[in-house]
Amino acid sequence: QVQLQQWGTGLLKPSETLSLTCAVYSGSFSGHYWSWIRQSPETGLEWIGDINDSGDTNYNPSLKSRVTISVDTSKNQFSLRLTSATAADTALYYCARGFPMVPIDWGQGLPVTVSS
Amino acid sequence: EVVMTQSPFSLPVTLGQPASMSCNSSQSLIHSDGNTYLNWFQQRPGQSPRRLIHRVSHRDSGVPDRFSGSGSDTDFTLKISRVEAGDVAVYYCMQNTYWPTFGGGTKVEIK
Repeated sequence: QVQLQQWGTGLLKPSETLSLTCAVYSGSFSGHYWSWIRQSPETGLEWIGDINDSGDTNYNPSLKSRVTISVDTSKNQFSLRLTSATAADTALYYCARGFPMVPIDWGQGLPVTVSS
Repeated sequence: EVVMTQSPFSLPVTLGQPASMSCNSSQSLIHSDGNTYLNWFQQRPGQSPRRLIHRVSHRDSGVPDRFSGSGSDTDFTLKISRVEAGDVAVYYCMQNTYWPTFGGGTKVEIK
């Protein structure tokens, strides 16, 4: 069973950059797609994007201009950067393992708040 | 963007009785490869979502056969044949025929 551990910026101000990292334990890193999803009471579940171990990415078109997902295969980690944050980016952020554009095994989630 | 609409919002059910919930998409989910990429997720209180069903009707490993999915094109259904206490959760549909979008969820609770 894969284990996913997330960390990163929990509180940031508007216009700052959100940065999160997810480390993968107890499972193969290659051969999977690694996703970011967020959840808020206002907007529900929203898929942000994913990446594989070769660095191939898929992004939500509505966020694509602000999102970068990267991978570090030497550490079995992948990361999310979301620029120009606003209050609308306040959410619980999940990392997950799965297939292209379908997250299957989700991490525990990390709350992120954007507030001045 | 494909909009996923779920109903009802809340579904009170008696233990041991069946439950059924709907998911409709704003456009056909039939992919050019012939598959329909419609998934169902379960999110228990305080937990992360867990996928139950993929490609409309295929149960994921470890999912009880009390859960079944059906439907086609734009109309889909998740059924629980006999609700147990552990089924209390919010159930989400998600399509990935196009870039992924989720429904708003159906909350199953015990009467």
